[in-house]
Amino acid sequence: AQRVTQPEKLLSVFKGAPVELKCNYSYSGSPELFWYVQYSRQRLQLLLRHISRESIKGFTADLNKGETSFHLKKPFAQEEDSAMYYCALRVQGAQKLVFGQGTRLTINP
Amino acid sequence: KAGVTQTPRYLIKTRGQQVTLSCSPISGHRSVSWYQQTPGQGLQFLFEYFSETQRNKGNFPGRFSGRQFSNSRSEMNVSTLELGDSALYLCASSLLQQGYEQYFGPGTRLTVT
Repeated sequence: AQRVTQPEKLLSVFKGAPVELKCNYSYSGSPELFWYVQYSRQRLQLLLRHISRESIKGFTADLNKGETSFHLKKPFAQEEDSAMYYCALRVQGAQKLVFGQGTRLTINP
Repeated sequence: KAGVTQTPRYLIKTRGQQVTLSCSPISGHRSVSWYQQTPGQGLQFLFEYFSETQRNKGNFPGRFSGRQFSNSRSEMNVSTLELGDSALYLCASSLLQQGYEQYFGPGTRLTVT
């Protein structure tokens, strides 16, 4: 069975501080992992995917197969980063996404 | 390009009734997936359609069904509504079936009373 766990429901940091949103997964196949973000009153949108290995809005995430983790990091948080963040795993051979419960990130001024 | 659109945006139904929700994918997209979002269960996969065929189904009772038309538009239907069906129903479209980014619609907020 596939499972994605985001241990923190809420995370609050100060502007300029580093941010790390944790994500662990359980999947028997070859995982494809994503981070989605939902800003207030906006639709869910893709932030980044592990296969692209790129930095979006200063965020990066590295897939660690040994620890089955895909944590999202940003060295210096900005107020506009406040949003709901979802880690998701795509099931092999399908478009089905398995989502974590989400972490609400609040950046304090 | 216009984004994924869902209609209606809000809906209130009574227990026992049935409801049909509609999703129009981004032009040219052929894959449509549906998700249910609730505070307790989070985002859960309902089903996926590609070229008018259901490719995958989530762990939901048979009261939840869907279909896709030749123009890739999709509908989902929930029969014999229960209070627990109150949720935000999200539709996502992608260009093809595998390996492509999914674009989400704004959702339909269903309230069952």
